[in-house]
Amino acid sequence: QVQLQESGPGLVKPSETLSLTCTVSGGSIRSHYWSWIRQPPGKGLEWIGYIYYSGSTNYNPSLKSRVTISIDTSKNQFSLKLSSVTAADTAVYYCARLFGDPDWYFDLWGRGTLVTVSS
Amino acid sequence: SYELTQPPSVSVSPGQTASITCSGDKLGDKYACWYQQKPGQSPVVVIYQDNKRPSGIPERFSGSNSGNTATLTISGTQTMDEADYYCQAWDSSLVVFGGGTKLTVL
Repeated sequence: QVQLQESGPGLVKPSETLSLTCTVSGGSIRSHYWSWIRQPPGKGLEWIGYIYYSGSTNYNPSLKSRVTISIDTSKNQFSLKLSSVTAADTAVYYCARLFGDPDWYFDLWGRGTLVTVSS
Repeated sequence: SYELTQPPSVSVSPGQTASITCSGDKLGDKYACWYQQKPGQSPVVVIYQDNKRPSGIPERFSGSNSGNTATLTISGTQTMDEADYYCQAWDSSLVVFGGGTKLTVL
């Protein structure tokens, strides 16, 4: 079955760029939308953005100026870059697959990775 | 920007029916889905397209969506249903989550 796994540094310094990768195993990254979602400790879910396997993207307006999501179909991976991070960006970051039509929902999630922003 | 509003908490006795609401402007004109998240775990979809259950989700979970409110109903609530629940919808190709509701079963 298809599985998602996040990877990347667990600690990032303020003002630097957070970089995470999601590896899709057990299936192809093609023909689906893929997304990043985060959850600050003790708080709710916040959608960051999604990417189609063709490379088209859409981002949360509140993060758009700092976010880049990219995809590498040859490696079955997609990535997140969040620039100029502050302590407010400390969160568990999840990658997830969007599924369905006409109602798109997140049917598969990674286990999440905690990223702490601190000097 | 579009907002979805949920009550922060709902309490229910075991075996009773729990209802969790999600409010948004003309939400009934959109599709709503619901996720369950237990402590330390990733969210799991329990309802999609307003009222459809993915395979493996118990029949006690049901959903509705009309007017400005979507509702997740859990009939015969079990202690294992204690979790955070999030509604989610789309607005102009953007994903929106509700703030989440902590369901306590006691």
